[in-house]
Amino acid sequence: DGGITQSPKYLFRKEGQNVTLSCEQNLNHDAMYWYRQDPGQGLRLIYYSQIVNDFQKGDIAEGYSVSREKKESFPLTVTSAQKNPTAFYLCASMGMVAGGNYEQFFGPGTRLTVL
Amino acid sequence: KQEVTQIPAALSVPEGENLVLNCSFTDSAIYNLQWFRQDPGKGLTSLLLIQSSQREQTSGRLNASLDKSSGRSTLYIAASQPGDSATYLCAVPFTGGGNKLTFGTGTQLKVEL
Repeated sequence: DGGITQSPKYLFRKEGQNVTLSCEQNLNHDAMYWYRQDPGQGLRLIYYSQIVNDFQKGDIAEGYSVSREKKESFPLTVTSAQKNPTAFYLCASMGMVAGGNYEQFFGPGTRLTVL
Repeated sequence: KQEVTQIPAALSVPEGENLVLNCSFTDSAIYNLQWFRQDPGKGLTSLLLIQSSQREQTSGRLNASLDKSSGRSTLYIAASQPGDSATYLCAVPFTGGGNKLTFGTGTQLKVEL
């Protein structure tokens, strides 16, 4: 069963702590993405990676870090420098589909709450 | 900079009604447009991807159209059902390259019995 998994589904963090959100895909996609979604707002890109061992900042990278050591994994760390981390985090990957188009696929999300 | 707008932000309709969701984008140099559905607290599910060379794409009761020259796409839902209640988002490739997408803020649809 191909897809993207994210864990945990819910995560609670105390102020000053770093936490890591997991994202794994078995779609054999090169590109992976992390988005943040806040109520009433669209998706905002945090980081993306187009290939293993390479990643770029998105629009709101401050206070976040990522790594891409394996093709199937793209973990996101929310550091204590992120002042307002409570949000819904979505991981995605992009690959070629029928017709030669590139289509993005999403995981189920992780809801992070700062206590 | 590409900007994607979806109007209305929220929509409530009775079951059985045909409806149209709108998506506008400012830079027409796109090669495709993707429509997604998001249920509360869930990830996004891809509904339709329409290529710039196509004018329409259909999947079941859903029909998406694309008019690049006017910077608009519509998602038509026929015979709406309560199960169609969700937020619908459109996305276009980021015009600065990099295999990224620019998303609209979505239309929250409620189909009532």
